[in-house]
Amino acid sequence: EVQLVESGGGLIQPGGSLRLSCAASGFAVNRNYMTWVRQAPGKGLEWVSVIYNGGSTFYADSVKGRFTIYRDNSKNTLFLQMNSLSAEDTAVYYCAREFVVARGVAFDIWGQGTMVTVSS
Amino acid sequence: QSALTQPRSVSGSPGQSVTISCSGTSSDVGSYDYVSWYQQHPGKAPKLMIYDVTKRPSGVPDRFSGSKSGNTATLTISGLQAEDEADYYCCSYAATYTYFGGGTKLTVL
Repeated sequence: EVQLVESGGGLIQPGGSLRLSCAASGFAVNRNYMTWVRQAPGKGLEWVSVIYNGGSTFYADSVKGRFTIYRDNSKNTLFLQMNSLSAEDTAVYYCAREFVVARGVAFDIWGQGTMVTVSS
Repeated sequence: QSALTQPRSVSGSPGQSVTISCSGTSSDVGSYDYVSWYQQHPGKAPKLMIYDVTKRPSGVPDRFSGSKSGNTATLTISGLQAEDEADYYCCSYAATYTYFGGGTKLTVL
């Protein structure tokens, strides 16, 4: 079965760091474009970062310089290292796979999400 | 970076049709035929409903359709059903960035 399972969320103090994981099954993360999307409580979706199959990475301005997306091919897992966290980073974080059939950006497989709460 | 603009809410009765607009700019929606739409029920992950402006993934009912004119994309849901009540988000590619709309809450009366 093709699926994504996130983990690593939790309560963290402002200024702290957290690493999110997204374990994939049924497909290889290194052969797909993989993305992190977040959703603050009661708010809309916000694109966070993408890693291409070739390894190139891109970030939203709101997280650039603080977050790092990477993958471990041997574990077939995507990661998001988050540093210098602030209350504005509080959200459910989803990992998603870009739909290979689409010519453009479209996310066909989503994880269940993991909640990150930044608070003292 | 700015989100795409969607109406905060729309509503319709069962069997009716509704449209949800998604306004962008010439740098995103207007430049690429790469708009996608997502349905999200409370507490659930988003679900892909439309990609590349007009295409439906396998399993999505043909009651859902997409279109685009200039800088505005539109999602149309015909033959409204109770289970269509959800939040809907548009999404557009813009070079190395991806933008989502603010979301529209669809209420089935």
